[in-house]
Amino acid sequence: DVKVTQSSRYLVKRTGEKVFLECVQDMDHENMFWYRQDPGLGLRLIYFSYDVKMKEKGDIPEGYSVSREKKERFSLILESASTNQTSMYLCASSLESIKNIQYFGAGTRLSVL
Amino acid sequence: EDQVTQSPEALRLQEGESSSLNCSYTVSGLRGLFWYRQDPGKGPEFLFTLYSAGEEKEKERLKATLTKKESFLHITAPKPEDSATYLCAVQAYGGSQGNLIFGKGTKLSVKP
Repeated sequence: DVKVTQSSRYLVKRTGEKVFLECVQDMDHENMFWYRQDPGLGLRLIYFSYDVKMKEKGDIPEGYSVSREKKERFSLILESASTNQTSMYLCASSLESIKNIQYFGAGTRLSVL
Repeated sequence: EDQVTQSPEALRLQEGESSSLNCSYTVSGLRGLFWYRQDPGKGPEFLFTLYSAGEEKEKERLKATLTKKESFLHITAPKPEDSATYLCAVQAYGGSQGNLIFGKGTKLSVKP
């Protein structure tokens, strides 16, 4: 079974803090993704990566950056957390882009106070 | 613009009462359509993928079908444990680099 592990289920941070969300997959998948999910807005793509050290902006990259130094790990960084970044963050991975079946982690519920 | 619309937003059923969820889509060319199940506070769980009109997939009480404009997720004789939010997503050829475009989901509640 594919396993996507997010380092934290719940996080509480203060405005202005630098926040790291970590994601690890164990199936040698090429692609990794970061989404945020908000009520009424659905899943929105923040950043994605098709290869090590490669990153592409999704639909809402502002205020976020990412890092993929190793194939299995994809990190989301909030440089200076703001209250409007309070959300559920979901990491996903997929084997290939042609049949882009994405497998998700359990999510990180981030609250920025 | 590629778009995915799910209906209804919420559906309440009695145990054993069969029904269908709808996912209509507008894309330049459909590469694949995906169904996910999401329980509260958890990440989406992959259910099915469909690639061409007329294709059907089944898993326990769930059956997904695909036409050129929409997909249905049929739930036969549902049980309370089927309660969840069901998400539909499409992958289009060309634009958006093959990324998935998600609908907002249908929240299903099955009462005993």
